[in-house]
Amino acid sequence: KAGVTQTPRYLIKTRGQQVTLSCSPISGHRSVSWYQQTPGQGLQFLFEYFSETQRNKGNFPGRFSGRQFSNSRSEMNVSTLELGDSALYLCASSLVISSSTDTQYFGPGTRLTVL
Amino acid sequence: DAKTTQPNSMESNEEEPVHLPCNHSTISGTDYIHWYRQLPSQGPEYVIHGLTSNVNNRMASLAIAEDRKSSTLILHRATLRDAAVYYCITNAGGTSYGKLTFGQGTILTVHP
Repeated sequence: KAGVTQTPRYLIKTRGQQVTLSCSPISGHRSVSWYQQTPGQGLQFLFEYFSETQRNKGNFPGRFSGRQFSNSRSEMNVSTLELGDSALYLCASSLVISSSTDTQYFGPGTRLTVL
Repeated sequence: DAKTTQPNSMESNEEEPVHLPCNHSTISGTDYIHWYRQLPSQGPEYVIHGLTSNVNNRMASLAIAEDRKSSTLILHRATLRDAAVYYCITNAGGTSYGKLTFGQGTILTVHP
């Protein structure tokens, strides 16, 4: 089975621009979660989507948004980019059997650099 | 999710066992304990999880204290490929859909 794929792998943007990142989950997985990883803050949860609905959201400003399509693929968007948005953005998918025991499978991430 | 405390770093020699500790003194009775690791330049990967009993899989063993306030991830024979950041996470389930709360983790260095 193919793993979680994320595109693009690397992205360079300038302040004020917006960006869209894409994630394709493992076939059959219905939940997609997004995380931001920075050297200072570590790995932080952004949001989770299941059946095209956002079920959970982390503590990030409204500039960060996402969506999920009927085939479970997901995109996240960051508007009005700031220098502090430079990070590795990770997507993870899971089967959704039990929220307490589900294993999350992570993609390789998208490295976003904001200049 | 209960707060977890892990040592910042640990070192091991290749082919020796490694015991990675984690404290989670505020864990509730229904929180599972999960371990993930992140190899350099990769996304995190699942290692093992458990609730009360010790657990084994092909990657590692998880020893859970009787009072569940601490656990230990055991790598039986460390290899260079095991050099990674190891994260101990407690997951309350319920409405914490898709959310793993990562701490700073333990950086494991494996010497040849």
